[in-house]
Amino acid sequence: GAVVSQHPSRVICKSGTSVKIECRSLDFQATTMFWYRQFPKKSLMLMATSNEGSKATYEQGVEKDKFLINHASLTLSTLTVTSAHPEDSSFYICSAREKREGHQFFGPGTRLTVL
Amino acid sequence: AQSVAQPEDQVNVAEGNPLTVKCTYSVSGNPYLFWYVQYPNRGLQFLLKYITGDNLVKGSYGFEAEFNKSQTSFHLKKPSALVSDSALYFCAVRDGGGGFKTIFGAGTRLFVKA
Repeated sequence: GAVVSQHPSRVICKSGTSVKIECRSLDFQATTMFWYRQFPKKSLMLMATSNEGSKATYEQGVEKDKFLINHASLTLSTLTVTSAHPEDSSFYICSAREKREGHQFFGPGTRLTVL
Repeated sequence: AQSVAQPEDQVNVAEGNPLTVKCTYSVSGNPYLFWYVQYPNRGLQFLLKYITGDNLVKGSYGFEAEFNKSQTSFHLKKPSALVSDSALYFCAVRDGGGGFKTIFGAGTRLFVKA
């Protein structure tokens, strides 16, 4: 089956620093990538949707200047958490929708801890 | 707007017994429905989906789900639960009438006791 990777799987950073998370579709082209945030014991909250080569569409309440999304190619999207604070600590999951049949596949997630 | 409800935070079942995890949905167009499973500190694993066709959908690991249009439900079932089925289960919906976003339910934690 199709594979979506995320890097890093786990990151710990100091408050005020920026963190970049990469999401790659390894064996398929992704027309659209999604970024979700999951709080402990909670559901996935869609943060934004990005299409290759265009600006991301953010969900209501998600700060686009804080969570920068770049979808540089059909296989790579990045999420940068700028000036991270402890309340940004969470599990971030990306998802990629396959171009050919439209199936959606999920990455393994990145756990961000901001001290 | 589309939405998904999973009315149970937790389901407990004994190993070998049948299990059901409930899900109801709301979309304006035709629903595309999905079930995913999540193990601790892991991403989501796809179990099964309903797009069109037979209302009973069979998926991975012996799971199945039944699409019921009149009740707007898509309950997940398995005839005989295993301890290894213990995990967090998410129901999700996408509006098939051109919808772009997949919306997830709150999740149901399944505990299977030996």
